[in-house]
This record gives sequence, structure tokens and C-alpha cells, in this order.
Amino acid sequence: DSGVTQTPKHLITATGQRVTLRCSPRSGDLSVYWYQQSLDQGLQFLIQYYNGEERAKGNILERFSAQQFPDLHSELNLSSLELGDSALYFCASSVDTASDIQYFGAGTRLSVL
Amino acid sequence: GENVEQHPSTLSVQEGDSAVIKCTYSDSASNYFPWYKQELGKRPQLIIDIRSNVGEKKDQRIAVTLNKTAKHFSLHITETQPEDSAVYFCATGDSNYQLIWGAGTKLIIKP
Repeated sequence: DSGVTQTPKHLITATGQRVTLRCSPRSGDLSVYWYQQSLDQGLQFLIQYYNGEERAKGNILERFSAQQFPDLHSELNLSSLELGDSALYFCASSVDTASDIQYFGAGTRLSVL
Repeated sequence: GENVEQHPSTLSVQEGDSAVIKCTYSDSASNYFPWYKQELGKRPQLIIDIRSNVGEKKDQRIAVTLNKTAKHFSLHITETQPEDSAVYFCATGDSNYQLIWGAGTKLIIKP
């Protein structure tokens, strides 16, 4: 167990819908990262938050947004869902910068039908 | 921008043999080089990492070597076992805010 908690584990929804994925980082970690992993693909970095503030943005679609709350948990919101959004979404946390070890949650598997 | 190339994309070795995966990077400011292992359907997990002030690091059957001049680093797995079958990702980091990831190597251990 990495100490990073993601909910839900599985999510099945329809095209056009909106979903929210939740992540609780390890105790003491201030940075949260979101990644998308499509079937048999690599890790696509979406966005990073540090202590409530957005710090870095990767290949995140405009239909996607995220935030980090004062208690440091983070939510990733996916809207106007398309079939191609079906993927594993991972959250990771680290103490601070990219020179720190990232610990991954178990992921949320999103299926858009 | 920063780029990490990882080779090979698939590697098949006989059980008991060694496996080597190589990554090259472009950002000379990179100072942190982790390797993650991802088993099918599971989360990526750190297996070993190295920082730029060290040339080699070992942990039992796995080792990482770093050549900062040539900007490449490699993962070495000796005496491979069936449980080593997984996808391995390299990454680089610096004082900025995100790791730059390689595309992954699928390691297949043949019995």
C-alpha cells in the first residue's frame, strides 16, 4: 500500500456525462499529480498541484479540470466524456518537487460507453 | 522541450538471463532518475532510483547506471524471474515540477 488513496476504483458512465475522481495523498505530501493511462500505453501527465496551487500542466484537455483542497486531497473532473476518455487515471503524490519520489494510488478505471 | 527516449519497447529474455533497458534524455539539468515497474492492471511502483552525484546503484538483482556526459541511464536486471515480467518506465526529474517519462518497456520472461 502506497498510502495514496483513490476513489472510486471503477467508474462506468455514458458519453457526454461528467465524473469526478478523488485522490488523497500520503500523509505529509504536498504535491499531487494526475496521470492518464490508456490501454497498453504509457503514463500521460495531466496536471500537478502543490499545496493547493496549480504548479504544472501537461496534456490535459480543456474538458478536464482539477483542484486541490485545503486538506490536500485532490479531485479530477472530466466532463463531456467521449469514448476515448476510457482509461486508467492515476494519482500520485510526493513531498515537493519532481526530484522527490512519487507514490501512486491504485488508480480509477473509467469506462465510457 | 525535455524528452526521454526508452529502448527497447519490448524485451523478451529467457528466465535466468539478464535484461537491460536504456533511456536517453535531453535536459542537462536533470538530476533524478527513477525506474518504475508496473504489473498488469496495477499501479506503477518505484523499484530503484539514482541521483546525479552517483554513477551506479544496486539493490539485489537490480541496478541502475548513469552516464551524465552521454545523458543516458540504464536498468539492469540479473537472474530474471517470472515475477519480473512487467512494464518498466524510466523518468527524469530536476528542480521543476514534473517528471518526464519514457514510453515504457514491456519485459517478458520466457520460462
